[in-house]
Amino acid sequence: EAGVAQSPRYKIIEKRQSVAFWCNPISGHATLYWYQQILGQGPKLLIQFQNNGVVDDSQLPKDRFSAERLKGVDSTLKIQPAKLEDSAVYLCASSLLAHSGSSRHTGELFFGEGSRLTVL
Amino acid sequence: GENVEQHPSTLSVQEGDSAVIKCTYSDSASNYFPWYKQELGKGPQLIIDIRSNVGEKKDQRIAVTLNKTAKHFSLHITETQPEDSAVYFCAASTRDSTLTFGKGTMLLVSP
Repeated sequence: EAGVAQSPRYKIIEKRQSVAFWCNPISGHATLYWYQQILGQGPKLLIQFQNNGVVDDSQLPKDRFSAERLKGVDSTLKIQPAKLEDSAVYLCASSLLAHSGSSRHTGELFFGEGSRLTVL
Repeated sequence: GENVEQHPSTLSVQEGDSAVIKCTYSDSASNYFPWYKQELGKGPQLIIDIRSNVGEKKDQRIAVTLNKTAKHFSLHITETQPEDSAVYFCAASTRDSTLTFGKGTMLLVSP
């Protein structure tokens, strides 16, 4: 079974430039997540999609970050304009289950290898 | 919101020794506690999880214990091997929230 695919693996840009990351989740997985992992820290949730709808984007800096999941499959995360503090690994994850009204738990998260962003 | 503290930040052991990583959480409503292993250049991978209605869970050389009263949970790895070297993350979530991760523990197992 193919895992979560992400691209590009590495990206170096200057501050104020824009960048986009792409994620293809495991086939059939209802829920897709974007996490930001700063060096030496644990993953921090940016946005959670269920199918093509947003479940949680409370920690997404909406003045510069945007994300979409068209047709409930692939997703794109964009940063514009980038700041130095955006340097991090951006991890995409997917899970088979969708959250329900009784629980936010969606089971095991399957992570991609991440996209490492360096902002100079 | 939930806050998860993880200790130690780094842990060095000899092959064959046991390793213990501890986490505390702040939200008493948290009821799901997974552990993820992240190898260099890879994404985190689930290795074991426990729910709040269980005090201990084992899977071969790894085990997780949960103390709800004290709001802490621990990962135990016995008979460590060099391939156990990685960064380990604990996490917690409530019924109504997504996972909050700890800052990670870098485990180094020396042959």
